[in-house]
Amino acid sequence: DQQVKQNSPSLSVQEGRISILNCDYTNSMFDYFLWYKKYPAEGPTFLISISSIKDKNEDGRFTVFLNKSAKHLSLHIVPSQPGDSAVYFCAATTSNTGNQFYFGTGTSLTVIP
Amino acid sequence: DTGVSQDPRHKITKRGQNVTFRCDPISEHNRLYWYRQTLGQGPEFLTYFQNEAQLEKSRLLSDRFSAERPKGSFSTLEIQRTEQGDSAMYLCASSFAGGPEQYFGPGTRLTVT
Repeated sequence: DQQVKQNSPSLSVQEGRISILNCDYTNSMFDYFLWYKKYPAEGPTFLISISSIKDKNEDGRFTVFLNKSAKHLSLHIVPSQPGDSAVYFCAATTSNTGNQFYFGTGTSLTVIP
Repeated sequence: DTGVSQDPRHKITKRGQNVTFRCDPISEHNRLYWYRQTLGQGPEFLTYFQNEAQLEKSRLLSDRFSAERPKGSFSTLEIQRTEQGDSAMYLCASSFAGGPEQYFGPGTRLTVT
């Protein structure tokens, strides 16, 4: 049962443009969401997170938007850079336990110079 | 402290053999997680420790799998009587209790022939 879904396996964007990565979830108990970035041969690296009490969190070029009613979150990268090319995973958890994280299947982003 | 480390990075074994992986978390982190990742999938939760106590195990963790964290520092994951279906990347992550952001190691890639 895939509780966190990333329906786009891959995305290509021109350098300098906006990258939008999407994630949907099914469990209404999730109240904390994270995005991780993964380069080949490395473990995932934490990128940005958002609590369900917010609908937006911004960190430099990265912004995460949360739409609780739609059970949908998105990661915006502006402007996209070639170094952003990686696999991006979204993850969700219930913060009152914080013990089990559910990951999506990932979206491979390619930023074309 | 440079982050979460895992050893070995790669392991090739024959079906039926036992293997053991080690994870050294970030030293001040008291939570430690094990995940398994197969091709095209996100990390799947296996188990987690808070200090030396193993607090949760996924149903993915069959009886052939055992994890320990004897002194609340490093952890080992042992797989007995390996099967070809055990071939995957095994990821370790650590975090502060109460902090949802996890920091991942580079993973151990297991190939069972």
